[in-house]
Amino acid sequence: GAVVSQHPSWVICKSGTSVKIECRSLDFQATTMFWYRQFPKQSLMLMATSNEGSKATYEQGVEKDKFLINHASLTLSTLTVTSAHPEDSSFYICSAIFYSNQPQHFGDGTRLSIL
Amino acid sequence: GENVEQHPSTLSVQEGDSAVIKCTYSDSASNYFPWYKQELGKRPQLIIDIRSNVGEKKDQRIAVTLNKTAKHFSLHITETQPEDSAVYFCAASLNTGNQFYFGTGTSLTVIP
Repeated sequence: GAVVSQHPSWVICKSGTSVKIECRSLDFQATTMFWYRQFPKQSLMLMATSNEGSKATYEQGVEKDKFLINHASLTLSTLTVTSAHPEDSSFYICSAIFYSNQPQHFGDGTRLSIL
Repeated sequence: GENVEQHPSTLSVQEGDSAVIKCTYSDSASNYFPWYKQELGKRPQLIIDIRSNVGEKKDQRIAVTLNKTAKHFSLHITETQPEDSAVYFCAASLNTGNQFYFGTGTSLTVIP
């Protein structure tokens, strides 16, 4: 089945650091990738939708300069949390689809802890 | 945009009993409704999905029903087992575009 790999799985860093998270589709070409943020015991909040070769579409309230998304190929999207602060600590999960209106396949998530 | 509501937020059932989780959506253009199961600290996993041209779908102990007129859909788990304990999310997908909007989740506990 479709596999999405997300790396790293856990990051602990100091406030002010920029952190890059990678999301790869391993056995299929992902036309679209999504980035979610999930707080403890809460739902997945869509941050942005990323299509290969074009700019990401951000959800309302998500700072595009804070959360930089690059989707350079059909198998890789990256999320960079710039100048991270403690309030950015969260669980970030990516997902990918082969074509629209099909199931999303999720990565394992990245737990980001900013000290 | 789409708004998906999910109830209940927590649900406890005895092993062997049935569990039902309900979701409503606001956008009549939505036409794809998946259900995901997420264990603590792990990725959400698709367990069943339904499209708007179908009213019901079943896969062993899991079934989903859809009422397009009322804009609600439900997940039914029969003969629950302790390993069914997890958080379940419903989602709705708009007809155009690729966004999935998730419900707020239901924490299901199956008591042995």
